[in-house]
Amino acid sequence: DQQVKQNSPSLSVQEGRISILNCDYTNSMFDYFLWYKKYPAEGPTFLISISSIKDKNEDGRFTVFLNKSAKHLSLHIVPSQPGDSAVYFCATRIQGAQKLVFGQGTRLTINP
Amino acid sequence: DTGVSQDPRHKITKRGQNVTFRCDPISEHNRLYWYRQTLGQGPEFLTYFQNEAQLEKSRLLSDRFSAERPKGSFSTLEIQRTEQGDSAMYLCASSSILRGNNSPLHFGNGTRLTVT
Repeated sequence: DQQVKQNSPSLSVQEGRISILNCDYTNSMFDYFLWYKKYPAEGPTFLISISSIKDKNEDGRFTVFLNKSAKHLSLHIVPSQPGDSAVYFCATRIQGAQKLVFGQGTRLTINP
Repeated sequence: DTGVSQDPRHKITKRGQNVTFRCDPISEHNRLYWYRQTLGQGPEFLTYFQNEAQLEKSRLLSDRFSAERPKGSFSTLEIQRTEQGDSAMYLCASSSILRGNNSPLHFGNGTRLTVT
């Protein structure tokens, strides 16, 4: 029962262009959403988050969009840089709970 | 902020042996989590402590798994009678309740367990 899905296992983008990573969820009780980035041999690193009361949050080159009616989350990276090449995980949590539920991840490759 | 530290980084063991992993969270963080990640999947929640109290355990955590955080600082995760299906990356994370309920988790670099 996969409550959080990242349907694209991989994505390749040219340096300087926009990278868009997508995530879909099924449980309307999820109220807090996060994106993590993971390099090989390292643990996931927190990138950006958004609460369900918002539909957009921006931090530098990273913007997260939340569409609650579609139960869809996306991460935009612009402009994409070679150092952005990593696996990206979306994660979410039910209100009041501490347990994070992660998607399967999308491997992003930025080509020079 | 020295980050979350996990030891060992790698562990190879034979089926049936017991293994123990250690996690040292960020010093002022009072919440500590264990996750497991297998190839091609995202991290899966195992258990969570607030200070020394274990407040939630996943159904994934069979009776062969036990986690402790005796003094509310470091934590250990023990797996008894290991099975090949236990092979995975075991991730520890911590967060601070003082930064609110939506404080993001900070992960360590994990312990990779291989059961032969």
